[in-house]
Amino acid sequence: DTAVSQTPKYLVTQMGNDKSIKCEQNLGHDTMYWYKQDSKKFLKIMFSYNNKELIINETVPNRFSPKSPDKAHLNLHINSLELGDSAVYFCASSQNGVSPLHFGNGTRLTVT
Amino acid sequence: DQQVKQNSPSLSVQEGRISILNCDYTNSMFDYFLWYKKYPAEGPTFLISISSIKDKNEDGRFTVFLNKSAKHLSLHIVPSQPGDSAVYFCAASSPTGNQFYFGTGTSLTVIP
Repeated sequence: DTAVSQTPKYLVTQMGNDKSIKCEQNLGHDTMYWYKQDSKKFLKIMFSYNNKELIINETVPNRFSPKSPDKAHLNLHINSLELGDSAVYFCASSQNGVSPLHFGNGTRLTVT
Repeated sequence: DQQVKQNSPSLSVQEGRISILNCDYTNSMFDYFLWYKKYPAEGPTFLISISSIKDKNEDGRFTVFLNKSAKHLSLHIVPSQPGDSAVYFCAASSPTGNQFYFGTGTSLTVIP
């Protein structure tokens, strides 16, 4: 049983396209996150979301938008993809926003 | 502005010896610190944590030390095993925030 699963694992697309990455957690956690790992291996938070509040990292372009259909899912939509969006995107979840994060296995996005 | 720093990108250690991974932080409000381990093509997995009210936490072969005055923490692995070869990330959070700040990781290689 995978605790945090995200799909697809690899995503190759062209500039200007719109794409989505899906994330689901079966841990019953109330907070979910999206992290971006860039070419320098720096893990940087993009969003955190619980059923009450969406917190957006101010450096994230508004082409990125999280969508949460329910507590167990937090999908990431990206519009008008750019070359600089190429990275590994990790979904994560935690209980109460302070317990250790549980990560998915990442989605490697390549924009050509 | 990187609030958590791991200045050693890589470390090689002989099997059976001690591995010491270091981490520095700048935000004095951080009160909870974690270490994550990451294998290639997988997400980071939680390893061990420490609260700022402690200066040491031990779990089997893994011990984390916290020096608040120096804003420094370290992870000791004794004895090191080949299966410990992975990238180790240090992370920190504050009581007011709803996110974890990560370092850029240290790649540990344990040589058999």
